[in-house]
This record gives sequence, structure tokens and C-alpha cells, in this order.
Amino acid sequence: NAGVTQTPKFQVLKTGQSMTLQCAQDMNHEYMSWYRQDPGMGLRLIHYSVGAGITDQGEVPNGYNVSRSTTEDFPLRLLSAAPSQTSVYFCASSYTFWTGKETQYFGPGTRLLVL
Amino acid sequence: AQTVTQSQPEMSVQEAETVTLSCTYDTSESNYYLFWYKQPPSRQMILVIRQEAYKQQNATENRFSVNFQKAAKSFSLKISDSQLGDTAMYFCASRGGGATNKLIFGTGTLLAVQP
Repeated sequence: NAGVTQTPKFQVLKTGQSMTLQCAQDMNHEYMSWYRQDPGMGLRLIHYSVGAGITDQGEVPNGYNVSRSTTEDFPLRLLSAAPSQTSVYFCASSYTFWTGKETQYFGPGTRLLVL
Repeated sequence: AQTVTQSQPEMSVQEAETVTLSCTYDTSESNYYLFWYKQPPSRQMILVIRQEAYKQQNATENRFSVNFQKAAKSFSLKISDSQLGDTAMYFCASRGGGATNKLIFGTGTLLAVQP
């Protein structure tokens, strides 16, 4: 198993540009989520999905869109990038979510710089 | 709402010694789970240890153990026989159960193991 993969590893955008951060997992996990990590703030949840076709907002959803058309993929879209979206983005997945105890597996992260 | 607080931004320990990282949390959930994640310079998020709140026994994983004080809402991580490879950022996190459970992170403690 490749686990959780993210592409690209690093991206530079100009303000107003759009892009999609890709996330895929090959573990047949129900639950997938996106976090952003900023200095001094830990990881904050952007959006999450409890299964194909089902998504919901986390703590900091503004400026981001997600969709989950398949179990494996959970892309994060920035429609109009802003400098405040400069961050490191992590995708994570777990087998399920109902009990809360399931281990979340994290991808290697995507560094995004918005100029 | 869940909150997780790590009051030690940075800590240092000599190789082979023991160090304890502090974490306090607050939650309205009756059933919840607590985690410690390690983030080395590679930025990969790695699960170190997990504690189920309904279990009184403290979790241990080799050199890593926790001191879970449920009434005080405290969840500290003890690292014994510290090794240079333990140098990393450590995040405490909590997660409730149910359909909308989310993993909430603290702001992290940067641990440096000195030779």
C-alpha cells in the first residue's frame, strides 16, 4: 500500500490563481480530511468527508472547496488563492469515524506559497 | 466544543534522559480519544500513542507512555531514554466519537534532544 499520497509537494501561486491539491489513499478508508498547518497554530481542520459523495466543513473552510466522487480521492480546491492561504496542507484518512479511536494516517503534506 | 492546550512551546532534554510534555484538554463528549502525534523535520505526521478515555490504564508504547488524569483533563507524554531521533514537534490531539467527530490539535511542543 502507498498509504496517503499528496501532490504536488510544493507549489507557488499568484494571488487570484486557482489550483487543486490532490489527495489519494489506497486503504479503502471511509473518512478523509484536509488540514492546514500554520506556525504557532497546530493543525486546523478545513473540510472532511465521511464517505463518497458526503463532505462537510471543518474549522476553517472559507476559500476552499472539496468533493468526494470516489472512496480513494479527496481533492482540495482553491478557487482564488490569497496570501492568507500560504500554509502547509495535510490530507489524512482513517478506516472509519464512528468511534473516534481510529488512527488517522497522514500524507506527506503540500507546501503552498501564495504571492 | 473541544479544545487542546499545550503550554510548552519548546523543550530540551539530554540524550538518554526522560522528558515529559504537557497537554490539557476540554471536551463535552462523554466518550473521546486522545492522541500524541510526532512531526519530525520531514513534516510527516506520525502517531506516537493513543489513549481511550474510558480506559483507566495509561497507554504505553515502548519508550513512550502517558499520564492520563481524566478528572483534571490532563494528558501528558513521557519519553524515556530520549534518543536523537526523538527530536521533533509533538502535537497533542483529541477526538470525539459519532458522525461529526473531528481531530482537534494543540499548538505543539518542539522537543530538542541534545547529544
